[in-house]
Amino acid sequence: DTAVSQTPKYLVTQMGNDKSIKCEQNLGHDTMYWYKQDSKKFLKIMFSYNNKELIINETVPNRFSPKSPDKAHLNLHINSLELGDSAVYFCASSTRVRTEAFFGQGTRLTVV
Amino acid sequence: KNEVEQSPQNLTAQEGEFITINCSYSVGISALHWLQQHPGGGIVSLFMLSSGKKKHGRLIATINIQEKHSSLHITASHPRDSADYICAVRVNTDKLIFGTGTRLQVFP
Repeated sequence: DTAVSQTPKYLVTQMGNDKSIKCEQNLGHDTMYWYKQDSKKFLKIMFSYNNKELIINETVPNRFSPKSPDKAHLNLHINSLELGDSAVYFCASSTRVRTEAFFGQGTRLTVV
Repeated sequence: KNEVEQSPQNLTAQEGEFITINCSYSVGISALHWLQQHPGGGIVSLFMLSSGKKKHGRLIATINIQEKHSSLHITASHPRDSADYICAVRVNTDKLIFGTGTRLQVFP
């Protein structure tokens, strides 16, 4: 049983398109995150949600809109995709009080 | 300068060698994580530390809160340990700041 699952694993799309990445966790965690890993493999937080409430928004362009329909899901919608959005996006979850973070397998987004 | 610095950036070892990867940070933290990422793969949490030392199999992680430093040790390294190792610090209950990673290659 996958703890944190995100789909799709690979996404190739043209500039200007709108796309979504889905994330689900079955761990009962109350906090979910989106991280971006750039071409140099550096990870940086984008968003954090706790109990469906936005906690962190790290100066991400407003073309990126996270949506949390419930505690177990945090989806990432990206409008008007740009070449610079190409990266690997990781979803993760944890509880708010000091537990390990569990990561999804990543979504490799390529914008052409 | 990054708030979380790792060294070395790249590490090559022969199978069986003892390996150490270092992580220094400059911010107040509530916990430190060591993560592993295989090429093209997902990220796996190895350890979460807030003090002292933890051991899991051939992996040992230590942290010195006063010196703001942590080390990850691998004993009797094996080619399957080849991966990127990433240090991350939790600066509040909701945010991780990551180091730039250490790429480890272990040759038979």
